[in-house]
Amino acid sequence: DAGVTQSPTHLIKTRGQQVTLRCSPKSGHDTVSWYQQALGQGPQFIFQYYEEEERQRGNFPDRFSGHQYPNYSSELNVNALLLGDSALYLCASSDRLAGGWTGELFFGEGSRLTVL
Amino acid sequence: AQSVTQPDIHITVSEGASLELRCNYSYGATPYLFWYVQSPGQGLQLLLKYFSGDTLVQGIKGFEAEFKRSQSSFNLRKPSVHWSDAAEYFCAVGAHYGGSQGNLIFGKGTKLSVKP
Repeated sequence: DAGVTQSPTHLIKTRGQQVTLRCSPKSGHDTVSWYQQALGQGPQFIFQYYEEEERQRGNFPDRFSGHQYPNYSSELNVNALLLGDSALYLCASSDRLAGGWTGELFFGEGSRLTVL
Repeated sequence: AQSVTQPDIHITVSEGASLELRCNYSYGATPYLFWYVQSPGQGLQLLLKYFSGDTLVQGIKGFEAEFKRSQSSFNLRKPSVHWSDAAEYFCAVGAHYGGSQGNLIFGKGTKLSVKP
């Protein structure tokens, strides 16, 4: 059973460019959340998707956007990249249909973005 | 505001020694509390969680944590550390969102080094 998979694992961009990161959730999971982890920091919540809509959003600017597809996979897009966007971007999946609050988030290994 | 504080940035213990990692939280309602571990180049793995009931929670890899409401703490412990426990440890509090799962708020992490 494949866990959460993310691509690419590493990428380098320059300021002002745009980037798209991809995530496939764990089999059976319908909800995807994205987190940004800057160097030396804990992960910070960006947003959460289920039923192909953004449901919750953290304190991130509109340059950060996302999408969820019918197969539950998800993309994170960041426009007009800044040096401060350099970070590890983590995708986490969960099963909302299981009901209630399970706290069972399964994380991928992340996509490390470097902005020069 | 909801927050998680991990006072120790870096801890070094000898192999076989006991371990306690500190975590304090600030959350208005009954907290859902978690400990995650992150090895270099890896995603986050759930060690244990507390929702309600017994305040001493057992997790994987021989870890346990104790919830103390009066101290707003959720410290992680292990009686005998193994070299493979060297990693970064994150405490998190789970936000509740409309009856289902919200986002996680993480501390900044504690890096554990293990001396032979």
